Amino acid sequence: QVHLQESGPGLVKPLGTLSLTCGVSGDSITSGHWWSWVRQPPGKGLEWIGEVYHSGATSYNPSLKSRVTISVDKSRNQFSLSLSFVTAADTAIYYCAAFNNWFDPWGQGILVTVSS
Amino acid sequence: DIQMTQSPSSLSASVGDRVTITCRASQTIGVSLNWYQQKPGKAPKIVIHAASSLQTGVPTRFSGSGSGTDFTLTISSLQPEDFATYYCQQSHSTLFTFGQGTQVEIK
Repeated sequence: QVHLQESGPGLVKPLGTLSLTCGVSGDSITSGHWWSWVRQPPGKGLEWIGEVYHSGATSYNPSLKSRVTISVDKSRNQFSLSLSFVTAADTAIYYCAAFNNWFDPWGQGILVTVSS
Repeated sequence: DIQMTQSPSSLSASVGDRVTITCRASQTIGVSLNWYQQKPGKAPKIVIHAASSLQTGVPTRFSGSGSGTDFTLTISSLQPEDFATYYCQQSHSTLFTFGQGTQVEIK
């Protein structure tokens, strides 16, 4: 059974960089899924951020593309999200998820607050 | 972007009721439509994929239908554990987009 777990700081300063990692267990990151990040501002809906394939190929939401980098570390079976120049509008629960025509499974999510 | 519009935004229903949620895409997406259930404090969980395929382990009271631009999620007999927020999501375009969600509350 595949399990995903997000990790990283829960508080980031404005104009700083948000960095999160998603550890994958129960499956190889080279298994054929695309590995995605989705976020959800408190009390609001879901927004797809982007995805990475084990080859390093990526696809990003154009609304965030200038600030986002998603990368994969095959040796550690994990993938990462970097979001630069964050503002209060980036405060959200960040989920990692496997995608193969639909998102499943998801990590439990990590709340990241942007505040000084 | 393909915009996904759900209706209603919220509904109140009783245990045993039949519940229907609608999702409309701003352009045709074939059957590239998925439904998720999200309970408070939890990650979304896939319920229906490819418009009408029930995810393994999901009760058969859940069903999905539709193609093109109009889709429906139906719960045939609402159970206490079904009270949650439901989201549709299109996977036709690589810019994946979600509906705004439908909150199913207890009447």
